[in-house]
Amino acid sequence: DIQMTQSPSSVSASVGDRVTITCRATQGIRSWLAWYQQKPGKAPKLLIYAASSLQSGVPSRFSGSGSGTDFTLTISSLQAEDFATYYCQQANSLSPVLTFGGGTKVEIK
Amino acid sequence: QVQLVESGGGVAQPGRSLRLSCAASGFTFRNYGMHWVRQAPGKGLEWVAVIWYDGSKKYYADSVKGRFTISRDNSKNTLDLQMNSLRADDTAVYYCVRDVVNSGCRYFDLWGRGTLVTVSS
Repeated sequence: DIQMTQSPSSVSASVGDRVTITCRATQGIRSWLAWYQQKPGKAPKLLIYAASSLQSGVPSRFSGSGSGTDFTLTISSLQAEDFATYYCQQANSLSPVLTFGGGTKVEIK
Repeated sequence: QVQLVESGGGVAQPGRSLRLSCAASGFTFRNYGMHWVRQAPGKGLEWVAVIWYDGSKKYYADSVKGRFTISRDNSKNTLDLQMNSLRADDTAVYYCVRDVVNSGCRYFDLWGRGTLVTVSS
């Protein structure tokens, strides 16, 4: 099975900062990657799919890039409501096993 | 209103069984593949199982294979997870999740609120 590794596991940042989270797959997954945001006590929320497509209703300060094995999620200007944990997920429709990365917690500096 | 609502969580002893259910509403349930995803306390997300839109295929994570069974009833818009031989490490919030396939990418666009399963003696 494909394994997903996120880094860093946590990051401290201030409102207005640019934050970048990376996700690496153990084998190439083209652009089959999704990103989710999860706040404490809540279900995850889809942010990005197909590596760079913004889900409807998600603010444009969120962007995704990458293909193959290396991907990034960027928050261009961190807002108070963005403090949360972010997960990547390999999203190959040909694979029934959809693995998540370990998560990156974005904390207030 | 498009939503997924899980039920059936609770406390179970190790080795016992529990059945989770998920009620779907506001969309054409029979058109979508459905999954269970779980999250142990303070831990990350773990994919558990998937069932194809028509129930024709089912797949499981190695950690639950042979113990859990996913099923669906498209006439009732419900998704179930039968959990047998429960272990302490099955303790988690279990989410019912809808998938979408777009440009070869399969991702989760709708999540339930989750139901907590605690396995303890």
